[in-house]
Amino acid sequence: DAGVIQSPRHEVTEMGQEVTLRCKPISGHNSLFWYRQTMMRGLELLIYFNNNVPIDDSGMPEDRFSAKMPNASFSTLKIQPSEPRDSAVYFCASSWFAHSNQPQHFGDGTRLSIL
Amino acid sequence: DQQVKQNSPSLSVQEGRISILNCDYTNSMFDYFLWYKKYPAEGPTFLISISSIKDKNEDGRFTVFLNKSAKHLSLHIVPSQPGDSAVYFCAVLNTGNQFYFGTGTSLTVIP
Repeated sequence: DAGVIQSPRHEVTEMGQEVTLRCKPISGHNSLFWYRQTMMRGLELLIYFNNNVPIDDSGMPEDRFSAKMPNASFSTLKIQPSEPRDSAVYFCASSWFAHSNQPQHFGDGTRLSIL
Repeated sequence: DQQVKQNSPSLSVQEGRISILNCDYTNSMFDYFLWYKKYPAEGPTFLISISSIKDKNEDGRFTVFLNKSAKHLSLHIVPSQPGDSAVYFCAVLNTGNQFYFGTGTSLTVIP
């Protein structure tokens, strides 16, 4: 069974450009999470969806960040315009339910570098 | 403000010995605690968890201990193996269904 699939694995772009990160959750999972990993703050939850609906986006750093989940099998995290401080590894994860103790299954991440 | 702290960024242990990874949290409303393991260039994978109603959960070589009065969580790996070398994250879930992760501890098991 395929795990969580993220693309691209690596993204290098110039400051000011739009960046779109993509995620395909595990089939049947109804909760999807976006995280950002940095050395200083570890894994930070940016936003999560239940049944394609955004539930908590309090972790989204600012208006330059937006996330969508148009259907149960696809989500995007967009940064526009991008800045060097956005450089990090971004992870997507999915689980059966967010409101439970079900462990989350993570993708392998997108390493984003903004020059 | 960090809700979950892993104060040791790295740990080295000899193969066969015990590895103890620690995690402190700030909010007594957290009611579920998890450990994840992460290899380079991969996403974290779930390792073991414990509910706040318990103080110990064991799964093979891995045991998680919870000390609610001290707001402290630990993961014991015994015996440690070279394949256990990875970054370990603790994570907590509060009654408001919010997840928080620590900054991670990099474990190196020396053969």
